[in-house]
Amino acid sequence: QKEVEQNSGPLSVPEGAIASLNCTYSDRGSQSFFWYRQYSGKSPELIMSIYSNGDKEDGRFTAQLNKASQYVSLLIRDSQPSDSATYLCAVKGDYKLSFGAGTTVTVRA
Amino acid sequence: DTGVSQDPRHKITKRGQNVTFRCDPISEHNRLYWYRQTLGQGPEFLTYFQNEAQLEKSRLLSDRFSAERPKGSFSTLEIQRTEQGDSAMYLCASSLGTGAQHFGDGTRLSIL
Repeated sequence: QKEVEQNSGPLSVPEGAIASLNCTYSDRGSQSFFWYRQYSGKSPELIMSIYSNGDKEDGRFTAQLNKASQYVSLLIRDSQPSDSATYLCAVKGDYKLSFGAGTTVTVRA
Repeated sequence: DTGVSQDPRHKITKRGQNVTFRCDPISEHNRLYWYRQTLGQGPEFLTYFQNEAQLEKSRLLSDRFSAERPKGSFSTLEIQRTEQGDSAMYLCASSLGTGAQHFGDGTRLSIL
C-alpha cells in the first residue's frame, strides 16, 4: 500500500466548473497536509496547507481534512484554463514530505 | 524575496560520469531537502539537512550519492558513476523549521 494515494486522472472539467481532487494517506500520525500544483516541466508550487480537521479556503481553492478517515481533498471553484496542471497531495511526517502520484487536471475552455 | 535556486537547470551526461548539482535555499531557511522525481510520479525524498547537519538519508540514496551543506547555506548533491536509472528531475526544497517546504526549479538530469 502506498503512503499517499490520489484519485486517478486525468480529470477534465469545463471552464467555470468545480474540480474535485481526493487523497488518502496511510500514516495515522501525520499532522501536516499540503497541495502542490505542478505545471508540465516545472517544479511543484505550494498552493494550500491544512493542519486541522475541517475546511480551509483561499481564494478559489478549498482544502478539506478528515483525520479520522485519513482523507484530504482539494476543491477548485470557477476553474480556469490556467488551472490546468498536475496537483500533488503531500503528507508530512517528522520532516519529509510523502507525495501521491498526482492528478492531472485539464480545464476545457 | 528570493526563492530556492538550483543550478544547473539541465544536465546531460554519459553513463559512468560524475555530476554535481547545487541548491541555494531561501536565505532564512535552516532546513534543506533533496527529492527526486521521475515521469508520472510524485517527488521522492532523498535526504535533508538542518543547518549543516545531514539528519536523514533515504534508502533510495545509494553509495554513489553524496550530499553536503558545508556552512549551513547552499548544498550540493553529487552522483558518482551515473547510471541510466539516475535520469530524473532532482528537486531541492527549503523550510524554516517545520514550516512549509518551498521548491526550486529543479535540475533535470539525462543520462546518455
